[in-house]
Amino acid sequence: AQSVAQPEDQVNVAEGNPLTVKCTYSVSGNPYLFWYVQYPNRGLQFLLKYITGDNLVKGSYGFEAEFNKSQTSFHLKKPSALVSDSALYFCAVRDGDSSYKLIFGSGTRLLVRP
Amino acid sequence: DTGVSQDPRHKITKRGQNVTFRCDPISEHNRLYWYRQTLGQGPEFLTYFQNEAQLEKSRLLSDRFSAERPKGSFSTLEIQRTEQGDSAMYLCASRIKSGEIYGYTFGSGTRLTVV
Repeated sequence: AQSVAQPEDQVNVAEGNPLTVKCTYSVSGNPYLFWYVQYPNRGLQFLLKYITGDNLVKGSYGFEAEFNKSQTSFHLKKPSALVSDSALYFCAVRDGDSSYKLIFGSGTRLLVRP
Repeated sequence: DTGVSQDPRHKITKRGQNVTFRCDPISEHNRLYWYRQTLGQGPEFLTYFQNEAQLEKSRLLSDRFSAERPKGSFSTLEIQRTEQGDSAMYLCASRIKSGEIYGYTFGSGTRLTVV
């Protein structure tokens, strides 16, 4: 079964510093991986996805993610954090069956302090 | 505006009452998904429609839950005899079926509180 794990409940970083939010995956077959962000009382906003191709994927709001097949990881990164980046971040993998549903990790809360 | 609309945004109901939520997907999206998200957790899959056909239901979807998507357009999720454990955010997402992998568009969700 497809799954993703987000090992950190919370990540704290100072504004202007680089940030990394970790995600590891377990899949059978090719991985289709996604990152979403959620602000309080809102739905999920799409940040980026990895399907195939370059291991460094660029997404919205200056975020990027690095796909590493040998480490089965798909970490979210940003070179310089903003206070407004503070939110809940979810890694997800597309299920291998015909539904194409997403399977989400438990989420990581990012707190960027001024 | 995400393009997927959910109504209502918030619902407070007494235990034992029935509630119904609506999701209007992006018009050309033929796949529609319902998820449930409890506080501090990631969204969990409930059910999936391709056009009007409900093709998969999670074990989380007990007999008290029913979902429909008449004519392959909007969808409704009904919970009968609500319980306090049903309190959660209910999210709807849609995507288009195609040979490429597109992102899934989520609505803002309906937050249900059962008192």
